[in-house]
Amino acid sequence: DADVTQTPRNRITKTGKRIMLECSQTKGHDRMYWYRQDPGLGLRLIYYSFDVKDINKGEISDGYSVSRQAQAKFSLSLESAIPNQTALYFCATSDSAFYTDTQYFGPGTRLTVL
Amino acid sequence: QQQVKQSPQSLIVQKGGISIINCAYENTAFDYFPWYQQFPGKGPALLIAIRPDVSEKKEGRFTISFNKSAKQFSLHIMDSQPGDSATYFCAASSGGSQGNLIFGKGTKLSVKP
Repeated sequence: DADVTQTPRNRITKTGKRIMLECSQTKGHDRMYWYRQDPGLGLRLIYYSFDVKDINKGEISDGYSVSRQAQAKFSLSLESAIPNQTALYFCATSDSAFYTDTQYFGPGTRLTVL
Repeated sequence: QQQVKQSPQSLIVQKGGISIINCAYENTAFDYFPWYQQFPGKGPALLIAIRPDVSEKKEGRFTISFNKSAKQFSLHIMDSQPGDSATYFCAASSGGSQGNLIFGKGTKLSVKP
């Protein structure tokens, strides 16, 4: 089984709809991240969480919210989806016990907002 | 915003050739420089990483060269193979920070047979 899983893998929704993307991990890591990937723009950090009670905004948090339900679960919500939120979304995890900050990515969720 | 600038945006190399991707950074507090490899339909995965106390790190056909004074680092792929075709991201972080990686914008590498 994959260490970092994301659901759904693909989602098509309409403008104005609320949508939630979910991430689960079995790596036992304390840190979790949400990124979006757009062609030519690379990976941009949306939100990150260093433990269940610690949530921080990243570079592009406007229009998004997150919830860390447990150490292993971190969900991303789009309160009212808009077309320019069409992108590939990745969840990642890392372990603060290791100095190297290596992040482990899930397989991604492709979101299309019509 | 601390930036990591990556070039080129895309690269086409013949099989057996050398692929070179370059990155430059501004923040002298950065002390960890990984490269991530992403295949289509997959999430990025760590390929190789270096710390600034060494100027070069080699793992198989992949080498990172690091120039601390110029604040630049590069990925060299020797004997490039079609299976190396992927998007490559450089990144940087500071161990003294909250541990966030700052990513470059990526380089799409195509290795032609």
